[in-house]
Amino acid sequence: DAGITQSPRHKVTETGTPVTLRCHQTENHRYMYWYRQDPGHGLRLIHYSYGVKDTDKGEVSDGYSVSRSKTEDFLLTLESATSSQTSVYFCAISEPSGEAKNIQYFGAGTRLSVL
Amino acid sequence: AQSVAQPEDQVNVAEGNPLTVKCTYSVSGNPYLFWYVQYPNRGLQFLLKYITGDNLVKGSYGFEAEFNKSQTSFHLKKPSALVSDSALYFCAVRDSGFKTIFGAGTRLFVKA
Repeated sequence: DAGITQSPRHKVTETGTPVTLRCHQTENHRYMYWYRQDPGHGLRLIHYSYGVKDTDKGEVSDGYSVSRSKTEDFLLTLESATSSQTSVYFCAISEPSGEAKNIQYFGAGTRLSVL
Repeated sequence: AQSVAQPEDQVNVAEGNPLTVKCTYSVSGNPYLFWYVQYPNRGLQFLLKYITGDNLVKGSYGFEAEFNKSQTSFHLKKPSALVSDSALYFCAVRDSGFKTIFGAGTRLFVKA
């Protein structure tokens, strides 16, 4: 999975608790993304980052925050988890130039269940 | 706003037969189009992309896609399907800047 590590791979938590998912890359790619995958919806962008400390909202950002203090790490936090946030979360990376321009490379995913 | 549509939730094909997975798009300006594949319990993997040039784009695992500007389509094709091609396929279009919009996905089932 292209030098991208997501942790944890599986997590079960209770409604109202904070949860942090981590994405770590060894490719030195500039852009990083968090998506959620739900049946019938494909992948929906939660937040993305275009550099260290530079982040922006995607289409389904409510209830989520992110941080990127280093090029290699992109954290996704659910401030107070709800059952509607039960999903599979994917991290992706890309570069804005070169042969692989705009191609996204994905981690293996984190399966989150909020009870 | 950019968008992609995959009109079929599932495509069934017999092994050895040709397969087509459909995708239509809506963009302003020149389209940057992609196909990705997802195997069970894995992240998406890049298959191929169209930026400019030949309308027939060749990609990984024997897949190709045909860009049709007049029909705003970018269908994924393979001349002879394999059981191992069974997976979830996503069409995608680059949005403004560096974001990518994904379709809802089409599940391909290849029967032996």
